[in-house]
Amino acid sequence: GEDVEQSLFLSVREGDSSVINCTYTDSSSTYLYWYKQEPGAGLQLLTYIFSNMDMKQDQRLTVLLNKKDKHLSLRIADTQTGDSAIYFCAERHNYGQNFVFGPGTRLSVLP
Amino acid sequence: DAGVTQSPTHLIKTRGQQVTLRCSPKSGHDTVSWYQQALGQGPQFIFQYYEEEERQRGNFPDRFSGHQFPNYSSELNVNALLLGDSALYLCASSLPGRGTGELFFGEGSRLTVL
Repeated sequence: GEDVEQSLFLSVREGDSSVINCTYTDSSSTYLYWYKQEPGAGLQLLTYIFSNMDMKQDQRLTVLLNKKDKHLSLRIADTQTGDSAIYFCAERHNYGQNFVFGPGTRLSVLP
Repeated sequence: DAGVTQSPTHLIKTRGQQVTLRCSPKSGHDTVSWYQQALGQGPQFIFQYYEEEERQRGNFPDRFSGHQFPNYSSELNVNALLLGDSALYLCASSLPGRGTGELFFGEGSRLTVL
């Protein structure tokens, strides 16, 4: 199947690190993405990683990719209350143009 | 630089009616994709338009149709609305085959079917 899976909820304290996990199914995926959605809004691209990379760092964000296990993670360092949102993992297949999104992880940041 | 714009932002219809949603892509983008996001779920791919043609389609019935105009803007039409069509409809634009091909999303059109 084409299901992308994510845990649905994550709660962390302000200042801690958050780690959001995702598993995907298509080994032919060329790019994997992380999007953020705030209440009532569309999706905002946070970062992406090419399938031949293991890690990508972008300021407070670190993406880790384990191709063998088809596992992707997003680490947010020094999590702030403004990071509270739903985070979606998505894969883009090599053979098509559509993105397959996971169900989203709702991140709650407690003061 | 205008991002992706969608209209209307909210609308309410009744079962059996038809709806048209509109989208203008980000400046310089030529490809428009439509996604349906039901409450509490991730976006589901409906279809993609490029050069005024439907390029790829997801698992949606023929009641869902679309169009792309020469200026790259796009419409999504849904006929014979069902209660289950209630969702946030997201338009995304991109540049296919160039770089990472990431999608840039609009704020969405929230459709409620009563």
